[in-house]
Amino acid sequence: DTEVTQTPKHLVMGMTNKKSLKCEQHMGHRAMYWYKQKAKKPPELMFVYSYEKLSINESVPSRFSPECPNSSLLNLHLHALQPEDSALYLCASSQDRRQGPYEQYFGPGTRLTVT
Amino acid sequence: AQKVTQAQTEISVVEKEDVTLDCVYETRDTTYYLFWYKQPPSGELVFLIRRNSFDEQNEISGRYSWNFQKSTSSFNFTITASQVVDSAVYFCALTARPNAGNMLTFGGGTRLMVKP
Repeated sequence: DTEVTQTPKHLVMGMTNKKSLKCEQHMGHRAMYWYKQKAKKPPELMFVYSYEKLSINESVPSRFSPECPNSSLLNLHLHALQPEDSALYLCASSQDRRQGPYEQYFGPGTRLTVT
Repeated sequence: AQKVTQAQTEISVVEKEDVTLDCVYETRDTTYYLFWYKQPPSGELVFLIRRNSFDEQNEISGRYSWNFQKSTSSFNFTITASQVVDSAVYFCALTARPNAGNMLTFGGGTRLMVKP
């Protein structure tokens, strides 16, 4: 099973809302990633978790707050977003990131619109 | 610094034509890995292939084939007898050692449109 699931598929939120994106994998992977993808652009890395610890934060604004409750779950908490944050948010996982490299498996994404 | 260039932003072909997507990379590392991903309109990036810098053998998987040439720093992808279902954005990506911890450098992507 090489499936990464993400919920919700679509999300519309106002600039004062608080919402969360959820990602789940059951492949036993120990590295999980959040990416942001704008239209007609490649994915941009936001955060990397390795063994449930945040290991990379690519200078992402604090209105995005990641959380890794366990090795299978990854959340992205959103608060006071701006319209320019509207994008496709992709989650990915891989076996590890300290060794490898290993291919990353991506979820279908959450399409976020900030109004 | 690493860089991946996909010079073709959009390609349009008619079904059953063969099509090659170009990928040129730059890295100072001697050990590196190259990937191709497919992103259909549904949004999910689908892993297609991984090659390491020590293995220049070409690979074929059904209608897909990959040509890795270190001399020209290229890792091109050919779809034979294209089908409408091949319509997608294709990304070439690179990661290197010592790295970067599995972080991918993506090319800009090539949008392939296969018309019936």
